[in-house]
Amino acid sequence: AQKVTQAQTEISVVEKEDVTLDCVYETRDTTYYLFWYKQPPSGELVFLIRRNSFDEQNEISGRYSWNFQKSTSSFNFTITASQVVDSAVYFCALSELGGGADGLTFGKGTHLIIQP
Amino acid sequence: DGGITQSPKYLFRKEGQNVTLSCEQNLNHDAMYWYRQDPGQGLRLIYYSQIVNDFQKGDIAEGYSVSREKKESFPLTVTSAQKNPTAFYLCASAPGQPPWEQFFGPGTRLTVL
Repeated sequence: AQKVTQAQTEISVVEKEDVTLDCVYETRDTTYYLFWYKQPPSGELVFLIRRNSFDEQNEISGRYSWNFQKSTSSFNFTITASQVVDSAVYFCALSELGGGADGLTFGKGTHLIIQP
Repeated sequence: DGGITQSPKYLFRKEGQNVTLSCEQNLNHDAMYWYRQDPGQGLRLIYYSQIVNDFQKGDIAEGYSVSREKKESFPLTVTSAQKNPTAFYLCASAPGQPPWEQFFGPGTRLTVL
């Protein structure tokens, strides 16, 4: 069975600090996809990134970066020089090649609070 | 613009009443999903549909019903059998093939009075 664990329930940092959100996953498939979504106070989930299991290259998009390590089954998300607008709940999710049509498996989310 | 719409944004219901939440997408996606989110919790899957006129129960289907008569529409009915319906409901759609990336609507916040 697949599972996504986000052990950090809530993180609070001061603006401009760097912050890393952890995501650990479990799957039996060799082909799978990992996602990060952002949920601002408005409630709508916003897609941030997708990685497939064959691509372990780290990705950087502006202040956001993602570190995918199959050896530790982790897909961590780092925000550099955080800003108040980054305050949101962030969800990590997993889909397997064979069962992805049944829906994504989400972690419980990490509530990130950026204090001015 | 392509996207997913949910209506209404806020919904109030008296105990014992059924209520239907709307979800429409114009992304031409085959698959559609309903999730429930409680305060401080993750998303739990209620129902999903991979094709018109077919749908499957998710993890918490009891007290809910759905239909999929059109590709672009996937309404969710919260019945009086749902014991604790106050929650935030999110609808999503996805192409019918990997990587199964889901696109979400703005959500409906249901409050039972």
